[in-house]
Amino acid sequence: KAGVTQTPRYLIKTRGQQVTLSCSPISGHRSVSWYQQTPGQGLQFLFEYFSETQRNKGNFPGRFSGRQFSNSRSEMNVSTLELGDSALYLCASSLVKGGQANTEAFFGQGTRLTVV
Amino acid sequence: GQQLNQSPQSMFIQEGEDVSMNCTSSSIFNTWLWYKQDPGEGPVLLIALYKAGELTSNGRLTAQFGITRKDSFLNISASIPSDVGIYFCAGQLNLNDNQGGKLIFGQGTELSVKP
Repeated sequence: KAGVTQTPRYLIKTRGQQVTLSCSPISGHRSVSWYQQTPGQGLQFLFEYFSETQRNKGNFPGRFSGRQFSNSRSEMNVSTLELGDSALYLCASSLVKGGQANTEAFFGQGTRLTVV
Repeated sequence: GQQLNQSPQSMFIQEGEDVSMNCTSSSIFNTWLWYKQDPGEGPVLLIALYKAGELTSNGRLTAQFGITRKDSFLNISASIPSDVGIYFCAGQLNLNDNQGGKLIFGQGTELSVKP
């Protein structure tokens, strides 16, 4: 079974530009979450999507957005990039079963974004 | 943002030694997860804990979900060089399926193993 796939692995962008990152979850997993990892702040939750709806959102500005498609694949977008947006962006997928609220989250390899 | 208190921050040990790390929180969690992350890679799930007091093993790894639901520990026995990496605890609070859940991560414990 293929794991969580994130593309691209590496990205360099200029301040002010926008960027779109992609995540394909494990087959059958319908929940996709996004996290930002930086040396200073560690792993911070961005948002979670389930059945094409954002269910949960972290404390990030509106420049960070996402969406989920009917096949559960997800994209996140960052507009008007700032230097501080340089980070490893991680996607995690979970199998959400009816009546079972807590499930393991499996991470992809991440997209390393560098803003210059 | 909200974080778990994970300790120690780093450990330097000799191959063969046992290792212990823990996480504490002021919040109650329904799930505790332990991950290992290698440089340039995403976190890999090691152990998941779902019930207060639960003790679970995965090979040389053992983890426990604290009775108060506010803490968890991870033990690694007989460490080997490939245990090197950063270990993260994560707590998850799911009120129900409709609300979903987010993971709150500890700051990580960097483990170095000397052969």
